[in-house]
Amino acid sequence: NAGVTQTPKFRILKIGQSMTLQCAQDMNHNYMYWYRQDPGMGLKLIYYSVGAGITDKGEVPNGYNVSRSTTEDFPLRLELAAPSQTSVYFCASSPLAGWSDTQYFGPGTRLTVL
Amino acid sequence: GDSVTQMEGPVTLSEEAFLTINCTYTATGYPSLFWYVQYPGEGLQLLLKATKADDKGSNKGFEATYRKETTSFHLEKGSVQVSDSAVYFCALSPGGQNFVFGPGTRLSVLP
Repeated sequence: NAGVTQTPKFRILKIGQSMTLQCAQDMNHNYMYWYRQDPGMGLKLIYYSVGAGITDKGEVPNGYNVSRSTTEDFPLRLELAAPSQTSVYFCASSPLAGWSDTQYFGPGTRLTVL
Repeated sequence: GDSVTQMEGPVTLSEEAFLTINCTYTATGYPSLFWYVQYPGEGLQLLLKATKADDKGSNKGFEATYRKETTSFHLEKGSVQVSDSAVYFCALSPGGQNFVFGPGTRLSVLP
């Protein structure tokens, strides 16, 4: 199993550009999550999904969009990049509801918006 | 709202020293508590967890006990190794899909 994979590992964007962060898992997990980690801060939940076709907002969803067309993939879309979105982004998955079970994390994508 | 407070880092220890990383939390109800570890260049991985008061989570020589009376979940290890150098995150989940992470504590272990 590859676990949770994320691409790209690093990216630099200009203000106003758009991009999609890719996330895939091969563990057949129902639950998937996107977090951002700002320097010196804990992770904050952006969006989550409880299954294909079902997504919901987390704590900091503004400026982002997600979709979940398959169990395996959960891409995160930035439409108009802003410097405030400079962060490290982590995707995670779990077989059961996150509050009661382990989350498996990808290696992260480091995004810089200039 | 719910929150997690961790001791400020970085923490630097010599090999075989005793480790404590403090974690306290604020939450309503009865959250589950977690310690995650992030090794350099990797994503977070679960180190241990506890789902109710007085539970002790343990893994790889690390331990933490869910103390409801002091709202704490301190991480301990009796003898650290160089390979334990990483960032450690305390986290809680009050229920549903919510997860609250602390800011992380960077540990460096010197040979």
